[in-house]
Amino acid sequence: KAGVTQTPRYLIKTRGQQVTLSCSPISGHRSVSWYQQTPGQGLQFLFEYFSETQRNKGNFPGRFSGRQFSNSRSEMNVSTLELGDSALYLCASSTLGLNNEQFFGPGTRLTVL
Amino acid sequence: KQEVTQIPAALSVPEGENLVLNCSFTDSAIYNLQWFRQDPGKGLTSLLLIQSSQREQTSGRLNASLDKSSGRSTLYIAASQPGDSATYLCAVDNTDKLIFGTGTRLQVFP
Repeated sequence: KAGVTQTPRYLIKTRGQQVTLSCSPISGHRSVSWYQQTPGQGLQFLFEYFSETQRNKGNFPGRFSGRQFSNSRSEMNVSTLELGDSALYLCASSTLGLNNEQFFGPGTRLTVL
Repeated sequence: KQEVTQIPAALSVPEGENLVLNCSFTDSAIYNLQWFRQDPGKGLTSLLLIQSSQREQTSGRLNASLDKSSGRSTLYIAASQPGDSATYLCAVDNTDKLIFGTGTRLQVFP
């Protein structure tokens, strides 16, 4: 079974631009979560989608948004990029339920210049 | 607000040693606790998941325990190898999202 895939793996953008990251979950997984990892703040939860609905949201500004499609693939968008948005963005998928084990993708490394 | 702490922050040991990594959390109302491994610049690899009703889980040389009442989990690594060098993260799930600790950076030298 293929794992979680994320595209692109690396991105370089300039301040003020916007960016869209993509995540394809493990086949059969309907929950997709996004996390931001930085050296200073560690891993922080962005949001979680299940059946095309955002179920949970972390403490990030409205510039961070996401969506999920009917095939469970998810995208996240960051508008008006700031230098502090430079981070590794990780996507995780799970089946939910009692054994809600999260499986992570390789991440997208975003650098904002 | 759930807070997760991991001790030690870094650990350097010779090959063959048995290790204990510690994770503590402030809110015991968790669904489960998961241990991950992260290699530099890479994503997270799930090692073990312990449900809230369980006390421990084992996979190969790894054993994780959970004491919900005291807000603690330990990851035991037996007979460490250089390939175990990585950052180990614990994460608790109490509202359908993971709250991560800051990790323990492990280096195992030959």
